[in-house]
Amino acid sequence: EVQLLESGGGLVQPGGSLRLSCVASGFTFSNYAMSWVRQAPGKGLEWVSAIGGSGGTTYYADSVRGRFTISRDNSENTLFLQMNSLRAEDTATYYCAKDELTYTSGWYRYWGQGTLVTVSS
Amino acid sequence: DIQMTQSPSSLSASVGDRVTITCQASQDIGNYLNWYQQRPGKAPNLLIYDASNLKTGVPSRFSGSGSGTDFTFTITSLQPEDFATYYCQQSDNLPYTFGQGTNLEIK
Repeated sequence: EVQLLESGGGLVQPGGSLRLSCVASGFTFSNYAMSWVRQAPGKGLEWVSAIGGSGGTTYYADSVRGRFTISRDNSENTLFLQMNSLRAEDTATYYCAKDELTYTSGWYRYWGQGTLVTVSS
Repeated sequence: DIQMTQSPSSLSASVGDRVTITCQASQDIGNYLNWYQQRPGKAPNLLIYDASNLKTGVPSRFSGSGSGTDFTFTITSLQPEDFATYYCQQSDNLPYTFGQGTNLEIK
């Protein structure tokens, strides 16, 4: 059974940093791209970032490029999102999602339960 | 970026009704269109991928069609558990973009 478990969310001040983690199980982690998708409170879904199975290719939404870094540790079956220079508009529930291909296909059969990031002073 | 325009933004219907949601892409995306259901407080749940392929285990009352720029999502004979928010998403080009969502409410 595929399972994705996010952690690392919390309250952070504007300009601060946070690192999200997503531990995966139930599949060969290195064989699949992974993504982060977020949802601001009461709003729709926004794709944030993706990383290929080997970790060699990364992609970002314009809204986070240069501030967020996606990475993965295939030996630990863990996906990360390092978030720097956080802004109020980054407040959202962040979901990790498993892609269907080694290189991103962009659609997601499996999602984590989400972790809430709140950026506020 | 590809813009996804979903309509309606909200919809009231009754159990047993047939409902249709449309999604229009700002450019040709082939059949790279996916539909998700989201219940309050829960992660999105993939229902249909590549415009018309039903994910394994999803009831056959859900269906999708279309290609290019215009897509349709239909639920025949609404069930109580179907009242939720539905999103379309294009997976043709990065950044992958979602429609704004359709909130399906009980009439």
